[in-house]
Amino acid sequence: GESVGLHLPTLSVQEGDNSIINCAYSNSASDYFIWYKQESGKGPQFIIDIRSNMDKRQGQRVTVLLNKTVKHLSLQIAATQPGDSAVYFCAESSGGFKTIFGAGTRLFVKA
Amino acid sequence: DAGITQSPRYKITETGRQVTLMCHQTWSHSYMFWYRQDLGHGLRLIYYSAAADITDKGEVPDGYVVSRSKTENFPLTLESATRSQTSVYFCASSAGQGFSGNTIYFGEGSWLTVV
Repeated sequence: GESVGLHLPTLSVQEGDNSIINCAYSNSASDYFIWYKQESGKGPQFIIDIRSNMDKRQGQRVTVLLNKTVKHLSLQIAATQPGDSAVYFCAESSGGFKTIFGAGTRLFVKA
Repeated sequence: DAGITQSPRYKITETGRQVTLMCHQTWSHSYMFWYRQDLGHGLRLIYYSAAADITDKGEVPDGYVVSRSKTENFPLTLESATRSQTSVYFCASSAGQGFSGNTIYFGEGSWLTVV
């Protein structure tokens, strides 16, 4: 079946270091991928997205990499800050309501 | 920029009671969604709506009813609340068109406890 998963459920990094959160997807028909950040007690917040015709997309301190060959998605956070501590979800979409969310990775930033 | 507003944010109710969670969006997005989030299950789709007066079931629709008489509102009703419906409920919306049209934007959540 279709699934989106994460390799690491918990990631702990030192403040100032770069963070990499990984995600695997299985639906080759997915053409749109999104990363969300969810802070405690809040709703998931859109971070960055990427279409399947792209390999890389950069935002402010974040970069998403897409490897369609191995169906792998990653989120890189540069110079991680305490405010980056949250749960990060990847999601894949093949259109309309067909968005599948991963279980999430919790990122801890140590000061 | 209000975005998506959910109410109530926190609710405690008794088993068997009817509960309605409200959702209002100011973006005129075509699609609206209701998800529940539970430990070990992640986000699960309850119902979605592609437009006013068009609704359809998601992954876990049993025990829930939705309506969408206006584009901006998408209330979720638990007809007879059960303890298994204790959860965090997220309303969401998406434009449904364009490059980022499938991006789903979430509200802040409604914490529901059924006792």
